Amino acid sequence: NAGVTQTPKFQVLKTGQSMTLQCAQDMNHEYMSWYRQDPGMGLRLIHYSVGAGITDQGEVPNGYNVSRSTTEDFPLRLLSAAPSQTSVYFCASTSPSGQGTHYGYTFGSGTRLTVV
Amino acid sequence: RKEVEQDPGPFNVPEGATVAFNCTYSNSASQSFFWYRQDCRKEPKLLMSVYSSGNEDGRFTAQLNRASQYISLLIRDSKLSDSATYLCVVNRPGGGYQKVTFGTGTKLQVIP
Repeated sequence: NAGVTQTPKFQVLKTGQSMTLQCAQDMNHEYMSWYRQDPGMGLRLIHYSVGAGITDQGEVPNGYNVSRSTTEDFPLRLLSAAPSQTSVYFCASTSPSGQGTHYGYTFGSGTRLTVV
Repeated sequence: RKEVEQDPGPFNVPEGATVAFNCTYSNSASQSFFWYRQDCRKEPKLLMSVYSSGNEDGRFTAQLNRASQYISLLIRDSKLSDSATYLCVVNRPGGGYQKVTFGTGTKLQVIP
């Protein structure tokens, strides 16, 4: 059982380049999300999806796009990388457990992105 | 006031000690609460959910105080392997089951 798989683990980009961070889960979770984690700022939500074909913006969506064509995959695209996007990116997934809550998030192992 | 607040620490405790962290939340309508642990340069991992009646898992006990709007995590008989950052997570009412706010974490260092 792989859980949530993120690739790549490390990436260095030049300003203006684009790239896609991959995220796949094999737990049939309906909810998937992307977070970035910066020192002193905690985890901030970039984009999320509550099911295939449905996506929405989080707190810090600018400069990122997502799509959810299948339940399993939720790629994050950086359109034109900027140094401010240097961060650690985590993909997370979960499913509802009823009564307005969920089972807790399962996180991928993260992507450390540096934009120079 | 921040939605979720945690003392960043670090809490430096000797092996075998008991340590407790609190996490305060601002929205009294919040219904679900979690504790995660995050090791250095790793992903957060779910430690436990926090129920109204409290929750215990081995050396770890989580409690909810609705009147004062905080959750707590108690670790008994601390081990070196407990050294990590502990994140509290609180749901955002009215936003769907998935909408949560993460605290910035409390760092614990267990000393030999």
